[in-house]
Amino acid sequence: DIQMTQSPSSLSASVGDRVTITCRASQSVGTYVNWFQQKPGKAPNLLIFAASSLQSGVPSRFSGTGSGTDFTLTISRLQPEDIATYYCQQSYNTPQTFGQGTKVEIK
Amino acid sequence: EVQLLESGGGLVQPGGSLRLSCAASGFTFGSYAMHWVRQAPGKGLEWVSSISGSGGRTYYADSVTGRSSISRDNSKKMLYLQMNSLSAGDTAVYYCARAISALDVWGQGTLVTVSS
Repeated sequence: DIQMTQSPSSLSASVGDRVTITCRASQSVGTYVNWFQQKPGKAPNLLIFAASSLQSGVPSRFSGTGSGTDFTLTISRLQPEDIATYYCQQSYNTPQTFGQGTKVEIK
Repeated sequence: EVQLLESGGGLVQPGGSLRLSCAASGFTFGSYAMHWVRQAPGKGLEWVSSISGSGGRTYYADSVTGRSSISRDNSKKMLYLQMNSLSAGDTAVYYCARAISALDVWGQGTLVTVSS
């Protein structure tokens, strides 16, 4: 199985800060990486698909980059409503696997 | 409105069985692969199973292989997950999700609790 390793596991930042979350795959997954946001008690919400494509309706402050084994999710200016846990996921092969999550809090 | 609604969760004894259902609306159901993803309390997301749009191809996580079966009825716009030989490790919220390039639509989830 492909392991997806996210870092950091949690972070605290101020409103307006630039926030970066990284995800490393245990083998190359091309650009088959997706990013999800999950708020407490809610289902995950797709933010970025195919490594860098912004899902419809998602604010443009969210962006994704990467290919191969290294991927990044960036929030350009953190907003209070961005408080959530973020997950990367590879859809390159089965079983599709998720990272362990990054919890983002406001400082 | 595109919507997925899970049902069938509840309290089940160890060794028991459960069938989860997911009702789809607002889109051409048979055109999409469908997935089940679960989340144990306080834990991360775990992919469980998927099925192609026609139902001809199915896939399972090692953790449920041999004791679970995914199926769909495209005429009814329904997705199912039959789970047998349940153990405490299966306690989780189970989400169904639609897939095109990624899991773009999710249901609200149904809680399965395995306990005596």
